[in-house]
Amino acid sequence: GAVVSQHPSRVICKSGTSVKIECRSLDFQATTMFWYRQFPKKSLMLMATSNEGSKATYEQGVEKDKFLINHASLTLSTLTVTSAHPEDSSFYICSAELPGTAKSFTEAFFGQGTRLTVV
Amino acid sequence: SQQGEEDPQALSIQEGENATMNCSYKTSINNLQWYRQNSGRGLVHLILIRSNEREKHSGRLRVTLDTSKKSSSLLITASRAADTASYFCATGYSSASKIIFGSGTRLSIRP
Repeated sequence: GAVVSQHPSRVICKSGTSVKIECRSLDFQATTMFWYRQFPKKSLMLMATSNEGSKATYEQGVEKDKFLINHASLTLSTLTVTSAHPEDSSFYICSAELPGTAKSFTEAFFGQGTRLTVV
Repeated sequence: SQQGEEDPQALSIQEGENATMNCSYKTSINNLQWYRQNSGRGLVHLILIRSNEREKHSGRLRVTLDTSKKSSSLLITASRAADTASYFCATGYSSASKIIFGSGTRLSIRP
């Protein structure tokens, strides 16, 4: 199957700093990527849909200025957690869909996730 | 947002037994998918069933879909210790490419 690489896998940062998480599709071009957040022992909550070359679409309740998403190329989407606080500590996972499958959706390919700890 | 509720939230069975997990959702879907997640790791796609399908098999996995009841079930037969993980259903829509995850079932297989 297609490979999605997420980096870093773990990051610890100080409160007030910003952290950038990268999501790359390694062997295909992804016009659409998705960012999820997962709290311990909870499900994945969709944060936003990242569209190459245009603005991301955020889910209700997700702060756009807090979680900046940039999808500048067909193989890379980044999520920047700005002015991070301890409550932003979480597991963040990205996924990408194969191009041309949006209307006959097959499966999403997920990165391995990034565990963010804000101290 | 979260579409599906899964039942049970946690399940512990003996190795070799069958495990059944259920997922209910609220709105009409294009497809339903099941994923597995080992602790603190990414997700592994298990199986996808489309809205016009009723049952699908893949190895030891059997998935059913009842669109009239807006529910699906995942059956893992002859469970193994390596099946210990969290299992999530996820619903997909024809109107948008995003998928929405259910609440998940934590499955533990006792040796």
